[in-house]
Amino acid sequence: EDKVVQSPLSLVVHEGDTVTLNCSYEVTNFRSLLWYKQEKKAPTFLFMLTSSGIEKKSGRLSSILDKKELSSILNITATQTGDSAIYLCAVADSWGKLQFGAGTQVVVTP
Amino acid sequence: SAVISQKPSRDICQRGTSLTIQCQVDSQVTMMFWYRQQPGQSLTLIATANQGSEATYESGFVIDKFPISRPNLTFSTLTVSNMSPEDSSIYLCSVEGPGTGRMGYEQYFGPGTRLTVT
Repeated sequence: EDKVVQSPLSLVVHEGDTVTLNCSYEVTNFRSLLWYKQEKKAPTFLFMLTSSGIEKKSGRLSSILDKKELSSILNITATQTGDSAIYLCAVADSWGKLQFGAGTQVVVTP
Repeated sequence: SAVISQKPSRDICQRGTSLTIQCQVDSQVTMMFWYRQQPGQSLTLIATANQGSEATYESGFVIDKFPISRPNLTFSTLTVSNMSPEDSSIYLCSVEGPGTGRMGYEQYFGPGTRLTVT
């Protein structure tokens, strides 16, 4: 059975800390891995990863995929209170259907 | 990325009634999906909305309960039929982004519809 597992499920950090979120997967017909940030209703797209070892960066956020280990990490450096959200990992199959992990709730305290 | 709108943004409905949610995209897209997020849960795919043919439903979801229309490449509707309190969720449509798809497609979500069934 396909599955996407995220860890930790939640964490609390202080502003300025660095956060590393993990995502592992077992999905048949893997096409890509996607990261989203969810603050209210709609998930906001962060990254799409298809190739191992190629880091994607956007400001203080970065992510990398390891297809050998079937995993990905999302890093947030110099965290700010605005980074408080649920971070979702999803894996797309050949048809574009997304299977989501349970998410990691990040709370950044001032 | 595509601009996606959904209507209504929220609604409170009585059990036994039906609600139709609309999803509009500002450009033609091939793939459009409907997801559900129950309270405290992650997102679950309901179905793929196919243009010009019947939607493809995931295990646990049936057409009689969640009929879907996709009349063209920019619009789709999801109806939640004969609602019960267990249908209280956020319903989201998503579309795959532009591009050749050789390296996969980014997927973007609409703003969501928060449904409460009393």
